[in-house]
Amino acid sequence: NAGVTQTPKFQVLKTGQSMTLQCAQDMNHNSMYWYRQDPGMGLRLIYYSASEGTTDKGEVPNGYNVSRLNKREFSLRLESAAPSQTSVYFCASIADRTMNYGYTFGSGTRLTVV
Amino acid sequence: AQSVTQLDSQVPVFEEAPVELRCNYSSSVSVYLFWYVQYPNQGLQLLLKYLSGSTLVESINGFEAEFNKSQTSFHLRKPSVHISDTAEYFCAVITNFGNEKLTFGTGTRLTIIP
Repeated sequence: NAGVTQTPKFQVLKTGQSMTLQCAQDMNHNSMYWYRQDPGMGLRLIYYSASEGTTDKGEVPNGYNVSRLNKREFSLRLESAAPSQTSVYFCASIADRTMNYGYTFGSGTRLTVV
Repeated sequence: AQSVTQLDSQVPVFEEAPVELRCNYSSSVSVYLFWYVQYPNQGLQLLLKYLSGSTLVESINGFEAEFNKSQTSFHLRKPSVHISDTAEYFCAVITNFGNEKLTFGTGTRLTIIP
């Protein structure tokens, strides 16, 4: 099935632990994004990758790192998790303007840091 | 920098009544505007979008939104809501056409009262 796949769907971490959230898309999209969703704050951009081999900071990058492994995969890493990183994380990819901005979201990863 | 304002965090509406969810944006350049819907415990789905052309855009499930450049608004309307419309609705904007980053509003939770 074409789309954006995120793993894991749920995760509980202890403060200070590290983990990597995985994201893969099979639509040949160039641009990929990581957002976090918090109550009353909408979705805020953490990092994005406009093309394979490039990454840039978004609105809330502190405490995160990313890797654009290839055109399909864009991972988000928490090196030392903090309770403030408890959130729902969404990965998204977008076709370019020639395809009318078809933005596709994954189903999310619900992360709790205790 | 662009921003999106959704003034109403929660909107309760009786079933079969009309609804309007408000969205205002600020930008000094041309924009593309979007409404996304998030059903409980799911990811985001594109509801409708304005890129160019007719300022009135419609979705397949009866929602419509009108781009008003002079009022910098993109309000979402439906003449008669159903229980199945219960969800959170996010307005979003793209202004930087080099990297297609979406900036989201804080969301409006629509609750349908039977």
